[in-house]
Amino acid sequence: DVKVTQSSRYLVKRTGEKVFLECVQDMDHENMFWYRQDPGLGLRLIYFSYDVKMKEKGDIPEGYSVSREKKERFSLILESASTNQTSMYLCASRRDYEQYFGPGTRLTVT
Amino acid sequence: TQLLEQSPQFLSIQEGENLTVYCNSSSVFSSLQWYRQEPGEGPVLLVTVVTGGEVKKLKRLTFQFGDARKDSSLHITAAQPGDTGLYLCAGRAGSARQLTFGSGTQLTVLP
Repeated sequence: DVKVTQSSRYLVKRTGEKVFLECVQDMDHENMFWYRQDPGLGLRLIYFSYDVKMKEKGDIPEGYSVSREKKERFSLILESASTNQTSMYLCASRRDYEQYFGPGTRLTVT
Repeated sequence: TQLLEQSPQFLSIQEGENLTVYCNSSSVFSSLQWYRQEPGEGPVLLVTVVTGGEVKKLKRLTFQFGDARKDSSLHITAAQPGDTGLYLCAGRAGSARQLTFGSGTQLTVLP
C-alpha cells in the first residue's frame, strides 16, 4: 500500500512563529504536492515538486515556502504564521495517474 | 485553465436509495480520479479512469469516464450511512504535473 505520512495531525501555533510541516512518502514517487483545504474554497495547490530540489508555485504560494532535499520528503514552511493560514494542510504524492494523500494536518494559528 | 464542475454540491438521501454524482468539464483529461474524504481526514483514492467510455465498479459504486474524456459520473447503488462523505473528482489534463479538482459533493446518507 502507498503510504503518505504527515508529521502532525493537529498543530497550534502563535502568530509570527515559523512553522514546519513535513510529509514523507514510501513509494518512490517523483511528484509531491502541498494543498490547503478550506470550507467553501475546496482544495488549493500551494506548491509542488517534481524532483529533488525542484519546486514550482501552485495557485496560492504567498506566505509559504517548500523544501525537498530527499525524494521521499517534502516540507512546507510558513515563514511567519498568520491567522489566515489557519487551515487543513494536505500533502500528496503521485507517479503517473494515481495521486495519494496523507491524513492531513489541522493547523490553527492564534 | 481547466475547470471541473461537480454536481450536486450537496446531497442528502435515505439509506437504500441510489444516487449519481457528476463531474463535467469543457476540457479533455488524460485521466480522472474519484476520492472520498471523511471529516478531519485526507481524501482516499477510490478509482482512476483513463480510457474514454471506461466503466469501473467498486462494490456498489460504478464509475464512468465519458467517451470524449471531458466528464465522469459516480453512481452509488443502495447507499449506506458508511457512504457519507465528501466526494471529489480530479482530472489530469495532458501531461500536466498537477491535478485539477472539482469542488466536491457532500453526501449524507441517513439511516
